[in-house]
Amino acid sequence: NAGVTQTPKFQVLKTGQSMTLQCAQDMNHEYMSWYRQDPGMGLRLIHYSVGAGITDQGEVPNGYNVSRSTTEDFPLRLLSAAPSQTSVYFCASTSLGREQFFGPGTRLTVL
Amino acid sequence: AQSVSQHNHHVILSEAASLELGCNYSYGGTVNLFWYVQYPGQHLQLLLKYFSGDPLVKGIKGFEAEFIKSKFSFNLRKPSVQWSDTAEYFCAVNEGTGGFKTIFGAGTRLFVKA
Repeated sequence: NAGVTQTPKFQVLKTGQSMTLQCAQDMNHEYMSWYRQDPGMGLRLIHYSVGAGITDQGEVPNGYNVSRSTTEDFPLRLLSAAPSQTSVYFCASTSLGREQFFGPGTRLTVL
Repeated sequence: AQSVSQHNHHVILSEAASLELGCNYSYGGTVNLFWYVQYPGQHLQLLLKYFSGDPLVKGIKGFEAEFIKSKFSFNLRKPSVQWSDTAEYFCAVNEGTGGFKTIFGAGTRLFVKA
């Protein structure tokens, strides 16, 4: 099992550009989520999904979109990147009664 | 809405000192509680978790945590820290009855002096 994989590992964008962060898991977990990690603020939930076709907003959803067309994949889209979105992004998956399993993260810089 | 508070943002200890990191949550219902650790340059890994049963939970690497329901607390402890425990520690909570949405605290950065 590869667990949770994320691509890319690093990305630099200019303000206004769009991009998609990829996340995939091979553990057949129903639940997937995206977090951003900023110094002193811990992990903040951006969006989450409880199954294919079902997504919902977390604590800080503005500026991000998600979709869940399959159980395995949960991409995060930045529609128009802003410097405030410079962060480290983690994707995670879990199933009922389990802990979160995290991907290796994507370090995003928006200039 | 759920929230998680970690009392200490930075802790510096010498090797062999005892560790206690505080965590309080705000949610009135049944909860699942977690402590995760993030070593420098790595992603989060589970240290221990509490779902039900004995409120004193033992995890990996000699860590333990105690769930005190009346205080809405889930403090992390280790009797004797090592230099290799230098990391950031996160407390997290989700709803116990079928809940998946997990909320994290702001983290405590621990530095252990050799």
